Amino acid sequence: AQSVTQPDIHITVSEGASLELRCNYSYGATPYLFWYVQSPGQGLQLLLKYFSGDTLVQGIKGFEAEFKRSQSSFNLRKPSVHWSDAAEYFCAVGDYNNDMRFGAGTRLTVKP
Amino acid sequence: DTGVSQNPRHKITKRGQNVTFRCDPISEHNRLYWYRQTLGQGPEFLTYFQNEAQLEKSRLLSDRFSAERPKGSFSTLEIQRTEQGDSAMYLCASRGQVKSDTQYFGPGTRLTVL
Repeated sequence: AQSVTQPDIHITVSEGASLELRCNYSYGATPYLFWYVQSPGQGLQLLLKYFSGDTLVQGIKGFEAEFKRSQSSFNLRKPSVHWSDAAEYFCAVGDYNNDMRFGAGTRLTVKP
Repeated sequence: DTGVSQNPRHKITKRGQNVTFRCDPISEHNRLYWYRQTLGQGPEFLTYFQNEAQLEKSRLLSDRFSAERPKGSFSTLEIQRTEQGDSAMYLCASRGQVKSDTQYFGPGTRLTVL
């Protein structure tokens, strides 16, 4: 069965600083990988996804993620954080049917 | 709006009562998922349907929980004899039949059991 670990429960960065959110997965085959964002009172919104091909994936809102099979990781990055990026971020892994399991999430706080 | 919709958005009930939630997926999507999300946690998979067939149920789904999708369109999730531990956000998602399709989430139904 697939599983996801997000080691950081809470991260605080200054506006304009770079961001990296960590995600490690466990799955025996090639996984489908996702990052979702959830703002207070809002539904889950897909930022980006990896199914195959180029291991560096570009998403919406200036986010990108890199799939590293050797490290079982799919870390999310953004070069310059905006105050509106403050939210909860969830990494998810899908199996061969693309049925997802989520990590516990990382809460991002942005300091002015 | 052609996204996933869920009703009601909020439900407050007393312990021991039954509650039912509804999810209307995106119309052409044949897969429908239910998740539960508690405070500070990610969504936990409960069950999913392919058309009207319920193909998988999580161990989280006790005998008090039942889900249906009778015509392969909307789905209902019923919780019988609610307990305080059932208080959570219940999320519905849908996707198309191609494996690379994305799951689109509804806004959720927040259940509070007093």
